[in-house]
Amino acid sequence: DGGITQSPKYLFRKEGQNVTLSCEQNLNHDAMYWYRQDPGQGLRLIYYSQIVNDFQKGDIAEGYSVSREKKESFPLTVTSAQKNPTAFYLCASSIRDEQFFGPGTRLTVL
Amino acid sequence: GESVGLHLPTLSVQEGDNSIINCAYSNSASDYFIWYKQESGKGPQFIIDIRSNMDKRQGQRVTVLLNKTVKHLSLQIAATQPGDSAVYFCAETNTGRRALTFGSGTRLQVQP
Repeated sequence: DGGITQSPKYLFRKEGQNVTLSCEQNLNHDAMYWYRQDPGQGLRLIYYSQIVNDFQKGDIAEGYSVSREKKESFPLTVTSAQKNPTAFYLCASSIRDEQFFGPGTRLTVL
Repeated sequence: GESVGLHLPTLSVQEGDNSIINCAYSNSASDYFIWYKQESGKGPQFIIDIRSNMDKRQGQRVTVLLNKTVKHLSLQIAATQPGDSAVYFCAETNTGRRALTFGSGTRLQVQP
């Protein structure tokens, strides 16, 4: 099955801890993206990567970090510097303009 | 688009009626637009897209209309079904940017 997988589906974190969200795609897409979604709101861009070993900040990058060592993988680390990390995190990939989304990870800070 | 906080605009329709969901976009340089459907707890699902050189595009039971003069996008769903109940987002981008800018969404509720 081709697609985008995100893990875990639910993640709980204590304040002050860093956590890493996984995103993997087997669609052979060059570009990958991370979005954050808060309740009742649209998606906001955190980081994106158009090619391996390259990534750019999105609109709300503060408190987050990413890496793109492999074409298939684009992990997102939520650091302790992110003041309000509780949200639904969505990963996407694209080969041209149309973006395909993963199922999301719901992060809750306890 | 601007956030509407916890209260999404909601459109309620009867099963079998046609639905029209509207979206105003902000960037006159945007040249590609997508409508996504998002069910609770899931990732957005692609519905239909349109490029700025078109003003109308039809899919299966869905039509997207683009009015570049007033920066307005609409999604029409024919013969709305209970399975269409979800939150619908419009998104815009331009070829140079690649990343999408999302609107705040509209919740569609289909009454049986």
